[in-house]
Amino acid sequence: NAGVTQTPKFRVLKTGQSMTLLCAQDMNHEYMYWYRQDPGMGLRLIHYSVGEGTTAKGEVPDGYNVSRLKKQNFLLGLESAAPSQTSVYFCASGPLRTIGSNQPQHFGDGTRLSIL
Amino acid sequence: AQKVTQAQTEISVVEKEDVTLDCVYETRDTTYYLFWYKQPPSGELVFLIRRNSFDEQNEISGRYSWNFQKSTSSFNFTITASQVVDSAVYFCALSEYAGNNRKLIWGLGTSLAVNP
Repeated sequence: NAGVTQTPKFRVLKTGQSMTLLCAQDMNHEYMYWYRQDPGMGLRLIHYSVGEGTTAKGEVPDGYNVSRLKKQNFLLGLESAAPSQTSVYFCASGPLRTIGSNQPQHFGDGTRLSIL
Repeated sequence: AQKVTQAQTEISVVEKEDVTLDCVYETRDTTYYLFWYKQPPSGELVFLIRRNSFDEQNEISGRYSWNFQKSTSSFNFTITASQVVDSAVYFCALSEYAGNNRKLIWGLGTSLAVNP
C-alpha cells in the first residue's frame, strides 16, 4: 500500500549540478503534480500532468522540466540547480475527475533539496 | 482569479481548548471543491476532508468539524478539545473543475501549536 513514493528523500547539490526527482504512484491515477513548498509561500505548483505523455506548466515552472513517460511515474528535473531552488518538493497524484467525483490529491512524503 | 485566504498565520492554544481555523475563498465557478490538509512536524501532507460546492452540510469527524458557508465563501475548520498531537500546519485548498484540467489553489496555511 505504497501510495505515492518520492525518491530521494534528501539531497544536497552544488550550484550548476543537475538531478532528477522521481515520483511513483501505484493507484493508477491519471493526474500527477509537482509542488514546491517554501516558508511563507505555501505550496506552489511547478508542473503537472493529466495523463501519460502529457505535461503542463504550473505557477513556477522556470528552471524545471518534467516527463511522464509512464502513467505511474512523474519525473522532475533540474538541469542547472540554483540556490533559489532550495526547497521541499512534493509530488501528488489524483484520479481522473468526473462530474460528481471529488477525490483528493494524494501526496508523497516530500524531498528536501538543498542547493549550495 | 481564484484565491484562498487563511488569515491566521499562527495560532497557539492550550490543550483541551477549542480552536477554529478560518478559510475564505474566491472563485467565479459554480462547481468547485474545497479541501483541508494537515502537515504535522514530520512534514507529510495528510488529507482531512473534501467538500463540493453543492453540499453545504456541515461535517463532523470525531473532534474535527467543518463549517461550509457558501454565502460568505468560507470553509472553516474547528478542532474541539484540542490535543498536543493536533499541532501542525493546516492548509485549505480550492479545486476548480474545468474540463480535464484540475488544479488546487492553496492557502498559505495556519500553524497551530497546542501546548500542554
